[in-house]
Amino acid sequence: QSVLTQPPSVSAAPGQKVTISCSGSSSNIGNNYVSWYQQLPGTAPKLLIYDNNKRPSGIPDRFSGSKSGTSATLGITGLQTGDEADYYCGTWDSSLSAAAGVFGGGTKLTVL
Amino acid sequence: QVQLQESGPGLVKPSQTLSLTCTVSGGSISSGSYYWSWIRQPAGKGLEWIGRIYTSGSTNYNPSLKSRVTISVDTSKNQFSLKLSSVTAADTAVYYCARGREDYYGSGSYGGYYFDYWGQGTLVTVSS
Repeated sequence: QSVLTQPPSVSAAPGQKVTISCSGSSSNIGNNYVSWYQQLPGTAPKLLIYDNNKRPSGIPDRFSGSKSGTSATLGITGLQTGDEADYYCGTWDSSLSAAAGVFGGGTKLTVL
Repeated sequence: QVQLQESGPGLVKPSQTLSLTCTVSGGSISSGSYYWSWIRQPAGKGLEWIGRIYTSGSTNYNPSLKSRVTISVDTSKNQFSLKLSSVTAADTAVYYCARGREDYYGSGSYGGYYFDYWGQGTLVTVSS
């Protein structure tokens, strides 16, 4: 059971927009920045978003991130078949007794 | 361009110690302020953070694995390593090394902990 909660799957048609949610608590998302990763089949995860809404160099602006309270959202516009992948949110959990890096369980994006 | 590469045995017997090394190229492991991290992923499942070692040598471990994990760094070889003791079949996974970081924005303000470079991953199977 992952500390952060993501929907197992989302789907949308090419060209459309999709959002992926990531829910946590005050010890993690509520008081820390969120990052997002894309994992294409058979490959290592790739950084998409860091510090809630910043994109690394080379990541198109079709990808966006936001955070409100104890939840974060990844948005993808202009969906392409190449966006089919698993997406993970991550952050730091500052629990006094169990500080650690944490991830969501992942969301499989299907571009219909 | 920073690159990371995991290496180590692909098969470990139950109760033994899993040992992996991550070789960093394209930059010195001892320069900058980075968290050299290990993350694993069982087949068909999500990512699990194992632990990290800071440039200074301080470490943090996943509480669920803390009693069995040791992460160390060898600056002379530009490598960092993972040791996981008393392994069981539940430790079978693809193991990734990654560079973690927290950006400093000045006036004591830091961003979040995230991973900007990852190794390709190495499958470790625990079986007799």
